[in-house]
Amino acid sequence: AQTVTQSQPEMSVQEAETVTLSCTYDTSENNYYLFWYKQPPSRQMILVIRQEAYKQQNATENRFSVNFQKAAKSFSLKISDSQLGDTAMYFCAQNNAGNMLTFGGGTRLMVKP
Amino acid sequence: GAGVSQSPSNKVTEKGKDVELRCDPISGHTALYWYRQSLGQGLEFLIYFQGNSAPDKSGLPSDRFSAERTGGSVSTLTIQRTQQEDSAVYLCASSFDRVGYTFGSGTRLTVV
Repeated sequence: AQTVTQSQPEMSVQEAETVTLSCTYDTSENNYYLFWYKQPPSRQMILVIRQEAYKQQNATENRFSVNFQKAAKSFSLKISDSQLGDTAMYFCAQNNAGNMLTFGGGTRLMVKP
Repeated sequence: GAGVSQSPSNKVTEKGKDVELRCDPISGHTALYWYRQSLGQGLEFLIYFQGNSAPDKSGLPSDRFSAERTGGSVSTLTIQRTQQEDSAVYLCASSFDRVGYTFGSGTRLTVV
């Protein structure tokens, strides 16, 4: 069985600052994908960024980047130049060979003006 | 359609009644997933359909929960004899591969 753990239930950051959300996972598979999703109050799950496990280069998407440490099974999300619209729940997720996503418990991020 | 559509958006039901939640996935997506999200919590896997294969029902919490997917498209999640602990947001997602997941906006179920 695979598990995903987010150790920070809540985080806050000042607008324009940088924040890092932590995620660790456990899997016996060698080929998998990792994801960060954003969930605003609308409930829609929005893909922020994804990482292929066999790629060593960390994924980046504009202000969002990851620090993927495969040996440590760590997958943290860095948000640079935080904006008020980044306020949301953030979920780390991993899929297995059967395509099913396993989610962490989430981190509630508040960006303060 | 352009996205995953779920209906109803909100549902209030009396304890003991049966409810049906509907998910209309993106056309062409072979995989369909149901998740449950309790207030302020993460997403709990319920059931997964992949093409014509037998569904993975390993996440269903009790035999009061069942789901079907007709014609490889629309799926219905049924909860029989609802209990207050069933109150949650039920999210559906579909995908055609291991990276392209699209989620619906969910159904908020409240059992009173």
